[in-house]
Amino acid sequence: AQTVTQSQPEMSVQEAETVTLSCTYDTSESNYYLFWYKQPPSRQMILVIRQEAYKQQNATENRFSVNFQKAAKSFSLKISDSQLGDTAMYFCAFMKHVFYFGTGTSLTVIP
Amino acid sequence: NAGVTQTPKFQVLKTGQSMTLQCAQDMNHEYMSWYRQDPGMGLRLIHYSVGAGITDQGEVPNGYNVSRSTTEDFPLRLLSAAPSQTSVYFCASTNIKGQYGYTFGSGTRLTVV
Repeated sequence: AQTVTQSQPEMSVQEAETVTLSCTYDTSESNYYLFWYKQPPSRQMILVIRQEAYKQQNATENRFSVNFQKAAKSFSLKISDSQLGDTAMYFCAFMKHVFYFGTGTSLTVIP
Repeated sequence: NAGVTQTPKFQVLKTGQSMTLQCAQDMNHEYMSWYRQDPGMGLRLIHYSVGAGITDQGEVPNGYNVSRSTTEDFPLRLLSAAPSQTSVYFCASTNIKGQYGYTFGSGTRLTVV
């Protein structure tokens, strides 16, 4: 089974600053998909960004971008210009036949 | 589009009772899954299905049953509820390759007393 590790259980950032959430994974596969999901207090799971492993270019969605290092099996999420609405739990996920999730990072944006 | 509809949103059960969590999707997704979310443990896969008539176990299948008689529906059955099954449950669906990620239901908070 694949494993996904998020080593930062909790993080905080000042409003308008930049924060990076870490994610590493373990796999012997060469083609797979990676995702970051956001879970605000409403409990709804929201897809933030996705990356296809065969693409070297890092994915970007507005203020959210990733640093995908395939050889290092690392997939970090950078949030720029942090906003209060970014306060949430963030989950990293790996997909190859089955989805595997990390244990999450609780991010608090401080006004 | 309704997406993934999961019911109920909240449920309290007594130990030993049975119940079914309902999940339906209207996106013609082949792939459907059930997860449970517990504090500090992320989302753990209970069961999944890659099409009607096909189901498989995930990491934590004990105490749960599933069936997939149609593409749209993937119910999760608790046969004899235990306090250890107190959790938040999510149903999710995607196309067979999963390259676009899951669409999640809104979750069910289940308490077993």
